[in-house]
Amino acid sequence: SQQGEEDPQALSIQEGENATMNCSYKTSINNLQWYRQNSGRGLVHLILIRSNEREKHSGRLRVTLDTSKKSSSLLITASRAADTASYFCATAEGGSYIPTFGRGTSLIVHP
Amino acid sequence: ETGVTQTPRHLVMGMTNKKSLKCEQHLGHNAMYWYKQSAKKPLELMFVYSLEERVENNSVPSRFSPECPNSSHLFLHLHTLQPEDSALYLCASSQDLTDSLSSYNEQFFGPGTRLTVL
Repeated sequence: SQQGEEDPQALSIQEGENATMNCSYKTSINNLQWYRQNSGRGLVHLILIRSNEREKHSGRLRVTLDTSKKSSSLLITASRAADTASYFCATAEGGSYIPTFGRGTSLIVHP
Repeated sequence: ETGVTQTPRHLVMGMTNKKSLKCEQHLGHNAMYWYKQSAKKPLELMFVYSLEERVENNSVPSRFSPECPNSSHLFLHLHTLQPEDSALYLCASSQDLTDSLSSYNEQFFGPGTRLTVL
């Protein structure tokens, strides 16, 4: 089944820096979601952006969506060590509203 | 806490055993999901239930058998598993399967059951 693909697979930064992760997908979407997963735990929903939206903010998170390029980005500003986790995008594509997940970006923020 | 609980958190079983994973959501959601997460693989959707009806079965082997007795509970019955079935099994729920101005398909995940098949 279709799914988003995150890039990069791994990202290592220093505390205070910004972290940018990208997600590309293949077909038209109804919405795109970003989730976070701490090691060995369940996923936590961060943001949902609909196909008619271009940008959304939540605290230090900023998500953009470019449907012409079939891509989305997640920006975490002023990162903290506690942001260390894996980040996944999930796309609901075609006529389905069931999200499918990519492989994720592993983010490490060094204190 | 997300409002979705899973038990047990860890399970070790032999290939001839029968066991069950349990998921419970306290959010009043109508849709529930089972996912399998293996190392270095995308999260794999296994089953989807909406209002206690199974709406998706992603070519999952019959040794995995889901059960949804009501909208708050979801089980995954396991029998004759293989070592490659060892993984983190995640349960999730969402308000509905559709996405509208008043209803999101945002998913709430449980903490998962770490399954090891010997």
